[in-house]
Amino acid sequence: EAQVTQNPRYLITVTGKKLTVTCSQNMNHEYMSWYRQDPGLGLRQIYYSMNVEVTDKGDVPEGYKVSRKEKRNFPLILESPSPNQTSLYFCASSVVALHSYNSPLHFGNGTRLTVT
Amino acid sequence: GENVEQHPSTLSVQEGDSAVIKCTYSDSASNYFPWYKQELGKRPQLIIDIRSNVGEKKDQRIAVTLNKTAKHFSLHITETQPEDSAVYFCAAQMDSSYKLIFGSGTRLLVRP
Repeated sequence: EAQVTQNPRYLITVTGKKLTVTCSQNMNHEYMSWYRQDPGLGLRQIYYSMNVEVTDKGDVPEGYKVSRKEKRNFPLILESPSPNQTSLYFCASSVVALHSYNSPLHFGNGTRLTVT
Repeated sequence: GENVEQHPSTLSVQEGDSAVIKCTYSDSASNYFPWYKQELGKRPQLIIDIRSNVGEKKDQRIAVTLNKTAKHFSLHITETQPEDSAVYFCAAQMDSSYKLIFGSGTRLLVRP
């Protein structure tokens, strides 16, 4: 089944403890992206990647890192999480960066992160 | 950069009535406008989209209209059903950018 898989689904951690949220897609998509969803703010892009070893900042990159060593994987790293990073995170992928009905964003199931 | 504003933030309609959600965008170079539906506890999923060379697109009970001059686009849902209850997000993208900018979302409640 074609899908974007994120892990974990739920994560509670403490300030400053490094964590990684994994994202993997099995559709051979070139484009991958991370979003955070907060009430009243919609989906805001954190980082995106147009292909292997090509990553760039989105609108809210501060406090996050990503890597794209393989086409299928795009982990999100929080080196020193803070409470303002408590949010619902979505990984997404598409065939190519220019979206269309033939290249829509496919979202993962989300990761709810709580930083205390 | 591009900014997308979405209204209303919440919308409650009676089953069978129509629902309209509106978005405005700031950058006239934007030319792709998708709509995503997110059911409670689930992932957003594309339901319909429109490109700037088209003024309207329909798919059964949903339609999207685009007014390039005014820089706004709308989602229309007719004959609403309880399963239409969800959060709807509009978005905009320019061909020169690899960013899809989302609106803040509209929570639609269809009352049986």
